[in-house]
This record gives sequence, structure tokens and C-alpha cells, in this order.
Amino acid sequence: GQNIDQPTEMTATEGAIVQINCTYQTSGFNGLFWYQQHAGEAPTFLSYNVLDGLEEKGRFSSFLSRSKGYSYLLLKELQMKDSASYLCAVRALGGSTLGRLYFGRGTQLTVWP
Amino acid sequence: NAGVTQTPKFRVLKTGQSMTLLCAQDMNHEYMYWYRQDPGMGLRLIHYSVGEGTTAKGEVPDGYNVSRLKKQNFLLGLESAAPSQTSVYFCASTYRGAKGEQYFGPGTRLTVT
Repeated sequence: GQNIDQPTEMTATEGAIVQINCTYQTSGFNGLFWYQQHAGEAPTFLSYNVLDGLEEKGRFSSFLSRSKGYSYLLLKELQMKDSASYLCAVRALGGSTLGRLYFGRGTQLTVWP
Repeated sequence: NAGVTQTPKFRVLKTGQSMTLLCAQDMNHEYMYWYRQDPGMGLRLIHYSVGEGTTAKGEVPDGYNVSRLKKQNFLLGLESAAPSQTSVYFCASTYRGAKGEQYFGPGTRLTVT
């Protein structure tokens, strides 16, 4: 089975840095994804990690430790438009589940001025 | 390119009625997925397809059926709607060999009374 945990809510102020954690337990692992979802909209892809380490993309970075079943999404220089839900998702490994993503419940981030 | 489109955007059904949600993608993606999203529950996979003419069950398939007669279309059917099926439904697609990021449609908001 798959178990993915992330905090329900976080708040931060404009210009600050925030780290959203995700822990997972899966029966097979083939990558971890972060998606951003604004209220009333579809999720959009942010980042992907399959090997241990940090992936940086502009103001956003994502880290993975496979041995610890742990990832985080780091958002720097926060802007009001970063207020959204951030979804952690794990991809299953091989077979009939190839390509399937298992999503956490999402972390609602509110950025205050 | 329109990407992933969903029809309809909104729908209200009475208990026991049937309907079909249509998902279409113009990116020639092999894999397509139907999710439902409920408050506090995250995205849950209903059914998915790894190619034309093939479908498989996800985490919450009961009460739903799907068909993938053409590569670009993935239909989700509710034969006898129940209030528990009130939700936001998202379709997504991705291609074989991708890192795995999924491209989501705008969603269908369904209310069953």
C-alpha cells in the first residue's frame, strides 16, 4: 500500500522562505512529484525527484531522501500568488501500476503580506 | 494545443440518474487517468488507461465505469449517481517514457442531490 503524509496547513509572509515536508511509505518507488493547485483550478506540475538530493528550479527546490522516505518542497522569496495547495505524490514502480501517482492530501499554504 | 479538456464543467444530477464525463487530450499521450478530489481527501484515482482499448481500476472504482475507444478520449460513466459521488473530477494524461508528470484537465464539478 501507499501512505503519504504532509501537513494540512502552513502560513508564511511575503518574501520569506517556507519548507513543506512530505513523508511516504510505499510498496514500490519510482519518483516523487510536487504539484501546485490554486483554489478552483487543476493541479500543475512543479518538480520531480527520483534520486536523492536537491533539484532547483527558480524559486522552488525539492529534496528527496529515499532511505528516509522523505521529501520537502522549498519555496523562496514568497509571493502572494504562491498561496495554493501543494500536493506531494509518489509514483509506483512497474507492472500494471506503471505511471500511477499516489497523492497526499495536500498542504494549504497561505502567504500574508 | 488545447491540452486536456473536460466536458461538462459543472453538472447537477438527481440520485439514480446517469451521466458520462468526457476527457479529451490532443498531446498523443498513451496514459490517461480519472481522479476525484474531495475536501481533506486529496486526489484519489478512480480508473486509468495505459492505452487505447485498455482500462484498469484505481483506488476508488466502485460506482464508475470507463472506456477508452480512441487514444485521445477517456470517458467516465456514472450509471446510477449517489450523493457520495458529489465531487470534483479531474482527468489527467501523460506519455510513455515521461518523467511521469501528469497534465490535468480543468475539472468537472458534480453535485448529486
